[in-house]
Parts: sequence; structure tokens; C-alpha cells
Amino acid sequence: EVQLVESGGGLVQPGGSLRLSCAASGFTFSDHYMDWVRQAPGKGPEWVGRSINKADTYTTQYAASVRGRFTILRDESKTALYLQMDSLRPEDTAVYYCARLPSAYNSFVYWGQGTLVTVPS
Amino acid sequence: DVQMTQSPSSLSASIGDRVTLTCRASQGISNYLAWFQQKPGTAPKSLIYAASSLQSGVPSKFSGSGSGTDFTLTISSLQSEDFATYYCQQYYSYPLTFGGGTKVEIK
Repeated sequence: EVQLVESGGGLVQPGGSLRLSCAASGFTFSDHYMDWVRQAPGKGPEWVGRSINKADTYTTQYAASVRGRFTILRDESKTALYLQMDSLRPEDTAVYYCARLPSAYNSFVYWGQGTLVTVPS
Repeated sequence: DVQMTQSPSSLSASIGDRVTLTCRASQGISNYLAWFQQKPGTAPKSLIYAASSLQSGVPSKFSGSGSGTDFTLTISSLQSEDFATYYCQQYYSYPLTFGGGTKVEIK
């Protein structure tokens, strides 16, 4: 069974940093793209970025709103995905989910429970 | 970036109604379109991928259609568990983008 469990959320002051983790299990981690998606209170989901798998050379993609401030990392030995968030802003306040596609040419079927990040204004 | 526009933003419907939700892309995205259902406090649930393919385990009362820029999600007979917010999402190009959502409420 695919399981994604996020952790690391909390309250952080503007300009601060936070690192989120996503522990993955139940599948071959290195085979899959892994994504971060966030959802601000009362808003729709917003894609944050993607870690691309080994077969496709371990690259990353980011939304413009976080590029240069957020970094996605993956640790194959721990089957974990990370989101390093720096220079945090109030507009980064959201529930952050890690998510996975079941296969290529599909969209997010597997989601974690989410972790809340709050950046007060 | 591909902008996704959903309409209406909300609708009221009765149990047993057939409802159709619309999603429009700002440029052609072929059929790289997914639909999600979300209830408060939970992660989005994938219903449809590739514009018209039903995800495993999703009831057949949900159907999707469209290609290019215009897409629809139809719920053939609305039940109580279907009252939720629905989002479309394109995965044709980066950045991946979601629509603003359609909230389906009980009339």
C-alpha cells in the first residue's frame, strides 16, 4: 500500500526557514516523480514543484512563486522527499501535501495527509 | 503558464440531478486534464485523468470529456456524498496548474 506521511510543519516568522519531510513507503521510490502541492486556507490547490526520478535524471521543476526560495530534495536511501523553504512569506501559509502519480500521463492519485505551515503577517 | 478557468464557481443541485461542470484552458492542452473532488479537511481525490479516463475505484456516475481547451465533468445522478468542491488540473506543461474550483451544494 502506498503511504505518504508529511511532517515538519509549524509556525515560522516571515523571512524564516522550514524543512518539510515526506516519508514514502509501499512502492519503489526511485521509480517515481514526487510532487509538493499546497493549499492556502479557503483556496484551491497550488502546485509547488516536482522531483523527477532517476530514469529521467533527477531534475526538479518549480512554480514561479517559489522558485529561488524553495528547494525539493529526495533521499533514495531513506525513501524520503523534502521541501526546504527559505525566505518564507505570509502568502506561503498553507497545508503542504506530497503527492505521487500512479503512472506517467496521469495525475495525483496518492496524497499524504498534509502538514500546515503558518507564516504570520 | 496555462490558466485553468472553471465555471460556474458554485452551483446548487438536488439529489438525483445530472450536473455538468466546465473547465477551460488558456491554450491547448490536448487531453492532459484531470478532475479532483475535495471535501473539507481532506486531500483532493482524483476522479478522472486524461480528460475522460476514470481512476480505479471511482464510480461510473462520473464522466469526463473534452480535448484541447474545453473540458467537462458530468455527474449523472447526484448523491449526498457528491456534494464537494471539484477542481480541474492540467499536466500538459510546467507549471502544473489547477482551476479555481466549482463548489457543488445542496439545493
